[in-house]
Amino acid sequence: GEDVEQSLFLSVREGDSSVINCTYTDSSSTYLYWYKQEPGAGLQLLTYIFSNMDMKQDQRLTVLLNKKDKHLSLRIADTQTGDSAIYFCAESKGSNYQLIWGAGTKLIIKP
Amino acid sequence: DVKVTQSSRYLVKRTGEKVFLECVQDMDHENMFWYRQDPGLGLRLIYFSYDVKMKEKGDIPEGYSVSREKKERFSLILESASTNQTSMYLCASLTPGGYGYTFGSGTRLTVV
Repeated sequence: GEDVEQSLFLSVREGDSSVINCTYTDSSSTYLYWYKQEPGAGLQLLTYIFSNMDMKQDQRLTVLLNKKDKHLSLRIADTQTGDSAIYFCAESKGSNYQLIWGAGTKLIIKP
Repeated sequence: DVKVTQSSRYLVKRTGEKVFLECVQDMDHENMFWYRQDPGLGLRLIYFSYDVKMKEKGDIPEGYSVSREKKERFSLILESASTNQTSMYLCASLTPGGYGYTFGSGTRLTVV
């Protein structure tokens, strides 16, 4: 079936690295995405990775894709209080790029 | 940048009322989506539209309908609002080429 799974919560100390993990099931997915949702707001596209890539880096963000295990991760270096949010993993499906969503991981920053 | 605007941030309606949620995008995108978001359930697709007057049911269409009379506007309609439709509603527009969705700020609907 179609399922994208993530842990519901992750707690890290300010300044540490955060690693948010996601597993997906559809090996034919073309793109995989990370979205961020701050409290009371809509979702904002953080980054995406094409399925033929293994890694993508953008400033403090590193996305790793393991196609064999269907595992996607988002690493946030030097986590700051402004990174507190819910992070959603999503995979694309079909020619109209419908997305299958994970339930979201709430990132909690401890001082 | 693409802008997706949802007309209301907060809405309170009574059970049985007909409710319209409006969404407008400014980039001539063909694909638009309506989701509802509930804690622990992530995003669930209600309806999507891939062109004017074209619509497809998502995973949870019951109790909802949609209208796409113009390309920039995609409306979600609750025919007779019920308390189990209290939720956050998110509209999104798809950037062609797989470059992801742009979301509106969301409408938090409470049905009393």
